[in-house]
Amino acid sequence: RKEVEQDPGPFNVPEGATVAFNCTYSNSASQSFFWYRQDCRKEPKLLMSVYSSGNEDGRFTAQLNRASQYISLLIRDSKLSDSATYLCVVSLRGVGTYKYIFGTGTRLKVLA
Amino acid sequence: GAGVSQSPSNKVTEKGKDVELRCDPISGHTALYWYRQSLGQGLEFLIYFQGNSAPDKSGLPSDRFSAERTGGSVSTLTIQRTQQEDSAVYLCASRGVLNTGELFFGEGSRLTVL
Repeated sequence: RKEVEQDPGPFNVPEGATVAFNCTYSNSASQSFFWYRQDCRKEPKLLMSVYSSGNEDGRFTAQLNRASQYISLLIRDSKLSDSATYLCVVSLRGVGTYKYIFGTGTRLKVLA
Repeated sequence: GAGVSQSPSNKVTEKGKDVELRCDPISGHTALYWYRQSLGQGLEFLIYFQGNSAPDKSGLPSDRFSAERTGGSVSTLTIQRTQQEDSAVYLCASRGVLNTGELFFGEGSRLTVL
């Protein structure tokens, strides 16, 4: 089983639609949680951190359920510019290390 | 520049040759990571440096791979006797002391082994 699992998609949605992505992680000791965005042939960039209480940044809402080891990202009123791959990331502290473990990503394509 | 800088941006080499990839992190960032991303795949952790501590090398796929970080700043990833399956984008990221959690990535080095 992969440490971080995501539906690869692609999700093809019309402009203005609401779309949700899910992610599960296997290690209950995971400490911090993030969504990164990666455009085609570009480096990943932080979209938002994810907190247990849930958090919102404009059209983006992230949720974390530690009991179910589940993270979600909701995008409202999607724009053409939202087309990208969305990477679910968890961090894990170990002896002498602090790793960021990436999911394989969910591709989103917003259609005009 | 203010961001993470990687070089070369593209490298084409023949099977069996050695390659060196360089990463210059954001000034003052103590944590440095190397990842590998094959076509259509996710990011695979390779190695982690934190200050002067011993690095976490647990992600290096074979003993042909090695990395060092001199003076707590610039890092070099070396791949010896390259194989075709080494073809990928090698991404470097750094993180600041305050550990906000955000990794800042370079644009990557695209390696093609013929």
